Amino acid sequence: DAGVTQSPTHLIKTRGQQVTLRCSPKSGHDTVSWYQQALGQGPQFIFQYYEEEERQRGNFPDRFSGHQFPNYSSELNVNALLLGDSALYLCASSPGNTGELFFGEGSRLTVL
Amino acid sequence: SQQGEEDPQALSIQEGENATMNCSYKTSINNLQWYRQNSGRGLVHLILIRSNEREKHSGRLRVTLDTSKKSSSLLITASRAADTASYFCATDSMDSNYQLIWGAGTKLIIKP
Repeated sequence: DAGVTQSPTHLIKTRGQQVTLRCSPKSGHDTVSWYQQALGQGPQFIFQYYEEEERQRGNFPDRFSGHQFPNYSSELNVNALLLGDSALYLCASSPGNTGELFFGEGSRLTVL
Repeated sequence: SQQGEEDPQALSIQEGENATMNCSYKTSINNLQWYRQNSGRGLVHLILIRSNEREKHSGRLRVTLDTSKKSSSLLITASRAADTASYFCATDSMDSNYQLIWGAGTKLIIKP
């Protein structure tokens, strides 16, 4: 049983560019959450998707958007990249809104 | 914003010793969870304790919760080199719409 998979694992972009990160949840999980983790910090909640809808959103600007597909996989899009967007982006899936989260290995984004 | 505050920020002990990490939080919670993260990779769930529970065990892990002090502790007994990682507490509450709010983590180093 595959766990949560994320792609790409590493990427480098320049300021102003756009990026798309992808996530496939653990089998049987219908809820996907995205987190941003800066170096030396804890994860910050970006948003959560359930039934192809954004169910909740953290304190992130509209430059951060997402999508969930019918197979429960998800994408995170970030437009107009800033240097401060450099971070590890983590996807987590769960069978519902609460309880244990299963994380992917993350996508490390560097903005130059 | 971060709800949990782990203490200490960093801890270095000899293999075989016990490691204790603490987490304090600000608002009433529903659940408190502990996660481990190896060097910038994905997070792994360790244990979940509900607000009406005071202590839980899982293998070499022991978690306590004191809701009157709004604090929790994670004890790892008989530490091993493989326990070297960052440890995070995360809480969910009605205030956060049951989304996890994370601390900045404790970096644990086990010296052989």
